[in-house]
Amino acid sequence: GEDVEQSLFLSVREGDSSVINCTYTDSSSTYLYWYKQEPGAGLQLLTYIFSNMDMKQDQRLTVLLNKKDKHLSLRIADTQTGDSAIYFCAESKPGGYNKLIFGAGTRLAVHP
Amino acid sequence: SQTIHQWPATLVQPVGSPLSLECTVEGTSNPNLYWYRQAAGRGLQLLFYSVGIGQISSEVPQNLSASRPQDRQFILSSKKLLLSDSGFYLCAWSPSGIAGGYTFGSGTRLTVV
Repeated sequence: GEDVEQSLFLSVREGDSSVINCTYTDSSSTYLYWYKQEPGAGLQLLTYIFSNMDMKQDQRLTVLLNKKDKHLSLRIADTQTGDSAIYFCAESKPGGYNKLIFGAGTRLAVHP
Repeated sequence: SQTIHQWPATLVQPVGSPLSLECTVEGTSNPNLYWYRQAAGRGLQLLFYSVGIGQISSEVPQNLSASRPQDRQFILSSKKLLLSDSGFYLCAWSPSGIAGGYTFGSGTRLTVV
């Protein structure tokens, strides 16, 4: 199948780290992405990782990829209230028209 | 730089009325274009994609149609809206011929009453 699965909700305290997890199904995916959606807005590309990488760090964001388990995670260090949003994981499908398969999104709530 | 414009931002339409949502991309040529729908609290559903002028592929059968009359213009339409057409509609583009992420527009909130 083409399912990308994510937990639906995560609540963290301000200043703590957040870890959002995702599992995907296609081992031939070339890129994996994390998007952020704030209320009433479109999706914003946060970061991506190429399938031959294990880790990518970009300021407060760390992406970990376990290809064996088809598991992707996004860690947000020092989570702030402005990080409250829905986070979507997506995998790219090789060939064709550059098809992305999105997960259902994880709603991150940051509380004081 | 490339930009994507989507309008209107919000729309309230009665059941049975027609619909036209427009999306345009600037700063690139021959982009792949996409229409998604996001129901309240739900994930993204790909409705249509286009790899060129006049080339439209539908991912799910429904009450909607799409057209691409110009290279960087993508239109989502309906002849008669249903209550179930309510949702948040997102247009996106990606470069053609290469793998890469999508760039999304700001979305249209459609409420059918």
